[in-house]
Amino acid sequence: AQSVTQLDSQVPVFEEAPVELRCNYSSSVSVYLFWYVQYPNQGLQLLLKYLSGSTLVKGINGFEAEFNKSQTSFHLRKPSVHISDTAEYFCAVSDQAAAGNKLTFGGGTRVLVKP
Amino acid sequence: DAGVIQSPRHEVTEMGQEVTLRCKPISGHDYLFWYRQTMMRGLELLIYFNNNVPIDDSGMPEDRFSAKMPNASFSTLKIQPSEPRDSAVYFCASSFGSKVRRNTEAFFGQGTRLTVV
Repeated sequence: AQSVTQLDSQVPVFEEAPVELRCNYSSSVSVYLFWYVQYPNQGLQLLLKYLSGSTLVKGINGFEAEFNKSQTSFHLRKPSVHISDTAEYFCAVSDQAAAGNKLTFGGGTRVLVKP
Repeated sequence: DAGVIQSPRHEVTEMGQEVTLRCKPISGHDYLFWYRQTMMRGLELLIYFNNNVPIDDSGMPEDRFSAKMPNASFSTLKIQPSEPRDSAVYFCASSFGSKVRRNTEAFFGQGTRLTVV
């Protein structure tokens, strides 16, 4: 079984400032890691994923995340946010050995970008 | 492809009524998932199918909930009878089952916002 903890439920940030969203996971098996974004009244859209290889992963819209196996973390960062980044962000994991991409989600972090 | 399509986008119903949510997965995907999103419990997996066969329904909260996938291009989630605590956003997602890593992604629909009054 896996669990995902997003340490911040809400993160207010000023436009053009950097932001970091924290994610820690627990799993008895090897996992793939994902960050999804949900804009208001929309579905979930994949930002980026870590499958293997380089621990620094770059995604869409200028986001990146770093996988740290020893700390079981997968924090998401953006060096300069825009108003349009206001959304809820979800960290998720899936079992590497399982087919089908069944996801376990964290509780989400709501990002509010202020002008 | 138009992506995962869910209908309706919004549903308001009275307690005790039957509710049916619909999902059309991306063509060629052989896994389909139903998730529920609430403020209290976040995003939780209800049930998922592989090649139209239910694999794990342990997340289905009660017998009032049922899901079917009669063919590769259509699935339903039914609640009967509905209760106010079923109010939530219900998402459908689909993916390939291959372990080829480039296929490691689940695609989500826009969701159905259900309100039971």
